[in-house]
Amino acid sequence: SQQGEEDPQALSIQEGENATMNCSYKTSINNLQWYRQNSGRGLVHLILIRSNEREKHSGRLRVTLDTSKKSSSLLITASRAADTASYFCATDSIQGAQKLVFGQGTRLTINP
Amino acid sequence: EPEVTQTPSHQVTQMGQEVILRCVPISNHLYFYWYRQILGQKVEFLVSFYNNEISEKSEIFDDQFSVERPDGSNFTLKIRSTKLEDSAMYFCASRLETEQFFGPGTRLTVL
Repeated sequence: SQQGEEDPQALSIQEGENATMNCSYKTSINNLQWYRQNSGRGLVHLILIRSNEREKHSGRLRVTLDTSKKSSSLLITASRAADTASYFCATDSIQGAQKLVFGQGTRLTINP
Repeated sequence: EPEVTQTPSHQVTQMGQEVILRCVPISNHLYFYWYRQILGQKVEFLVSFYNNEISEKSEIFDDQFSVERPDGSNFTLKIRSTKLEDSAMYFCASRLETEQFFGPGTRLTVL
């Protein structure tokens, strides 16, 4: 079954630095989405990249997708303390109901 | 901006009791989902619902679970006889096209 796995599991950086998180998956996908989750809270949709796209930007977020390597990266530039959260990638397939398969997530801590 | 809402935010119940978790998806969305996240673990798919029927369900979604869309706005998840291992955060999600939008979750604690 397809599976998103993020690395690193935890990342701690200084405010203002860039944060890069990676995600790998196993099977062919239709789309890949990134979500943020503040501790004990809901999932906030950040950005979606389709399987025929290679890069996408949204504000301080940059997502890349390499379908040949079955991997994606999320870059947050000029990090802020408010970016402290867990970040998850989620993949879906063309078939079926497009259920999302989530990775374990990267816990990002931005130190002031 | 429209959003998915869920109630209650926290539910505490005794093992063996029935619980109903409620969700109001975004009004023009057509596809509805339930996911759960056990503390410290990844988010797991439970069930998807489209056109008033289940379109896909996971192995977790056994006979103890059921979903319903009783009217044009609500989408409910019922657990008939809760077990300790059902303790988790339950998320409802909905979509119209590709992006799935999640509610804030219901934290279910089974004692």
